[in-house]
Amino acid sequence: QVQLVESGGGLVKPGGSLRLSCAASGFTFSDYYMSWIRQAPGKGLEWVSYISSSGSTIYYADSVKGRFTISRDNAKNSLYLQMNSLRAEDTAVYYCARVSSYYAFDIWGQGTMVTVSS
Amino acid sequence: QSALTQPASVSGSPGQSITISCTGTSSDVGGYNYVSWYQQHPGKAPKLMIYEVSNRPSGVPDRFSGSKSGNTASLTISGLQAEDEADYYCSSYTSSSTWVFGGGTKLTVL
Repeated sequence: QVQLVESGGGLVKPGGSLRLSCAASGFTFSDYYMSWIRQAPGKGLEWVSYISSSGSTIYYADSVKGRFTISRDNAKNSLYLQMNSLRAEDTAVYYCARVSSYYAFDIWGQGTMVTVSS
Repeated sequence: QSALTQPASVSGSPGQSITISCTGTSSDVGGYNYVSWYQQHPGKAPKLMIYEVSNRPSGVPDRFSGSKSGNTASLTISGLQAEDEADYYCSSYTSSSTWVFGGGTKLTVL
């Protein structure tokens, strides 16, 4: 079945780095734009970044621009988020999501928790 | 990009109808028909309920409907059921080629 599975979350100190991964299955990964969305504890959803199907087009939210890097490996059906210079306010559950042709997020992973704390 | 504006909470009794509003600007909600709605139960990932303002993905009950007027989109749930109790988020594509979410609305079924 169509599935997204995130991994790589954990506890990291302020200023540290972490790399999240998202493994896709059940669909042709290379046909779809993909996105990262996060949710701080007890808070709402915040869009973080998206990458086009080929990886040639990338956008970031202002809150992460210059610190986070999204990438993908279509041969491995995988999406990544490299997070550098992490701050306490980056603490959140990070979801990867498939972007449909109608600009909605139609498939979501289960999320991976990132905690930034000393 | 500022978050879209949603009411913090709404409530209704089983069988009743409720409407959740989502207000943005001409750069997002008002400028595109790429408004979507998501349902999130506690501890779970969000689930797409409405896309392109008023379309339902396969498997979503027709009790869920969406609409838009100007810069405000709305989600209506008719015939409320206990399992509809959840958080609901709207989202819109924007003129900056990004997405923005609403702050979320907690639906309580009395």
